[in-house]
Amino acid sequence: EDKVVQSPLSLVVHEGDTVTLNCSYEVTNFRSLLWYKQEKKAPTFLFMLTSSGIEKKSGRLSSILDKKELFSILNITATQTGDSAVYLCAVWSGGSNYKLTFGKGTLLTVNP
Amino acid sequence: NAGVTQTPKFRILKIGQSMTLQCTQDMNHNYMYWYRQDPGMGLKLIYYSVGAGITDKGEVPNGYNVSRSTTEDFPLRLELAAPSQTSVYFCASSYSQGGGEKLFFGSGTQLSVL
Repeated sequence: EDKVVQSPLSLVVHEGDTVTLNCSYEVTNFRSLLWYKQEKKAPTFLFMLTSSGIEKKSGRLSSILDKKELFSILNITATQTGDSAVYLCAVWSGGSNYKLTFGKGTLLTVNP
Repeated sequence: NAGVTQTPKFRILKIGQSMTLQCTQDMNHNYMYWYRQDPGMGLKLIYYSVGAGITDKGEVPNGYNVSRSTTEDFPLRLELAAPSQTSVYFCASSYSQGGGEKLFFGSGTQLSVL
């Protein structure tokens, strides 16, 4: 069975801190890994990673994939209260029938 | 740009009642999905569709039905609501499903079955 495990499950930091969120996976025939940010409602797309060792960056957020060790990290520098959200990791796997498996998410709370 | 639109946003049902959650997308996406999200859990796939007239079960299909008569619409039907169906439901769509597609999500429906 495909598994995606995120850690920590929750995290509380102060504004300005840097955080690292982890996502490890065990899937058959890995295709890509996605990060989403979920505030009160719909998950919104952050990054998609397919190649190992190539960092994706958007402002204060960055992410990298390690296909050998089967994990990804999401870094957020200089955190702001607006970064408070659940961060979801999901992995596409499979051959002819693709499957997207989600982790349980990391709840990040940024206090002023 | 509307994207993926879900209605209603909130609903309370009594045990045994039926209802349809509506989902429509205006991005001309072929693939559409229904997920449920329980507190502290990841999203679980209920049903998905690869195009008009074609639907298939996901991980947790029991107690639900879907139809896909047009590219734009993908309603989810609960026939006999049970407390175990209390959850937040998300509809999503993607252009294809080649293992490298991002999903676009609707804003969710909070459903309580009492």
